[in-house]
Amino acid sequence: GQNIDQPTEMTATEGAIVQINCTYQTSGFNGLFWYQQHAGEAPTFLSYNVLDGLEEKGRFSSFLSRSKGYSYLLLKELQMKDSASYLCAVKDSNYQLIWGAGTKLIIKP
Amino acid sequence: DGGITQSPKYLFRKEGQNVTLSCEQNLNHDAMYWYRQDPGQGLRLIYYSQIVNDFQKGDIAEGYSVSREKKESFPLTVTSAQKNPTAFYLCASSIDEGSGTEAFFGQGTRLTVV
Repeated sequence: GQNIDQPTEMTATEGAIVQINCTYQTSGFNGLFWYQQHAGEAPTFLSYNVLDGLEEKGRFSSFLSRSKGYSYLLLKELQMKDSASYLCAVKDSNYQLIWGAGTKLIIKP
Repeated sequence: DGGITQSPKYLFRKEGQNVTLSCEQNLNHDAMYWYRQDPGQGLRLIYYSQIVNDFQKGDIAEGYSVSREKKESFPLTVTSAQKNPTAFYLCASSIDEGSGTEAFFGQGTRLTVV
């Protein structure tokens, strides 16, 4: 079966750096997405990786290793507004998105 | 402003009743999707449509129905056959199903069966 694994919950301190990991086992690979979702709201797109390596976008970066079936989302200079769930999703060989359960990130002052 | 709109935001339904959730987009996207989100689980695909007048079942289509009569609209009906309909429902759209195209989401409808 297809599977996306992420930690359920993480806690970090305002101003610090946090890394959220995602491992996947899917039938085929057509890209990996990271979304942010605040409680009760819609997910919003953060990043997309299809080739190995690091993609940087402001305070957020995302890394992909296809051979290891592994990605991480790196958040720097954490702000209280970064408290949210972070969803990892992979497009499989049929171009369907397979979603992880999400990582709830709690930021403490 | 372009976007994707779901209505209503909150919906209460009595057991045995059908209910329809609205989803409209003005992004000129071909592909539209309905997901269900439950606590502790990833988004699960209910139905998707790549083009007008065509749609496909997702992983959990039983008890749901959709239509795609217009490019802009993809309503979801939760029927009385759905055994556990209380959930957060998300509609999304993307330009197409291509690998690099991200999905844009509506604000969601929280359905509660009473």
